[in-house]
Amino acid sequence: QKEVEQNSGPLSVPEGAIASLNCTYSDRGSQSFFWYRQYSGKSPELIMFIYSNGDKEDGRFTAQLNKASQYVSLLIRDSQPSDSATYLCAVGPNTDKLIFGTGTRLQVFP
Amino acid sequence: KAGVTQTPRYLIKTRGQQVTLSCSPISGHRSVSWYQQTPGQGLQFLFEYFSETQRNKGNFPGRFSGRQFSNSRSEMNVSTLELGDSALYLCASSLGGLGDGYTFGSGTRLTVV
Repeated sequence: QKEVEQNSGPLSVPEGAIASLNCTYSDRGSQSFFWYRQYSGKSPELIMFIYSNGDKEDGRFTAQLNKASQYVSLLIRDSQPSDSATYLCAVGPNTDKLIFGTGTRLQVFP
Repeated sequence: KAGVTQTPRYLIKTRGQQVTLSCSPISGHRSVSWYQQTPGQGLQFLFEYFSETQRNKGNFPGRFSGRQFSNSRSEMNVSTLELGDSALYLCASSLGGLGDGYTFGSGTRLTVV
């Protein structure tokens, strides 16, 4: 079993819809959870982090964490074509050793 | 403020050679992590340095090594290069606290021929 699992996609959603990206992890001791966005040919950039159960909102992005079920998700509201990218979930006991999933490719079509 | 700087951006090496990659973190960041990214495996953790000490290490062979200097700049070295070492090598810097997250450099694209 991989430590951090994501569906590779592609996840295709129409412009203006909600995109839902999911991630599961195996280490129950994980404390920090991050979502990164990576455009093709670019390096990953941090979108959000969450470390408490529940929801955390930042603009059009909402991260959701459920430690009991060991999953973390990212919702993107009002999806735009510019959101088309690969979204990486990263999990760690803290920040000094983050384990990344292989990413979900999101395609937002006009 | 300046971001994370990685040099060189591109490298082509021959099997059996060795290579050294450099990473300068964001000013004030003391944690530097290195990752290998390939299309099939995604981002694989190599190692992390904090205040010149290796704090964590991934599951890579001993041919992969690194170090960190007193100014927090870090280098990674790969000896006896193999074709499978062709990848994008990413460096990330962080303050090291919970929730700080990483800032990645642009990466070094290594091709082994």
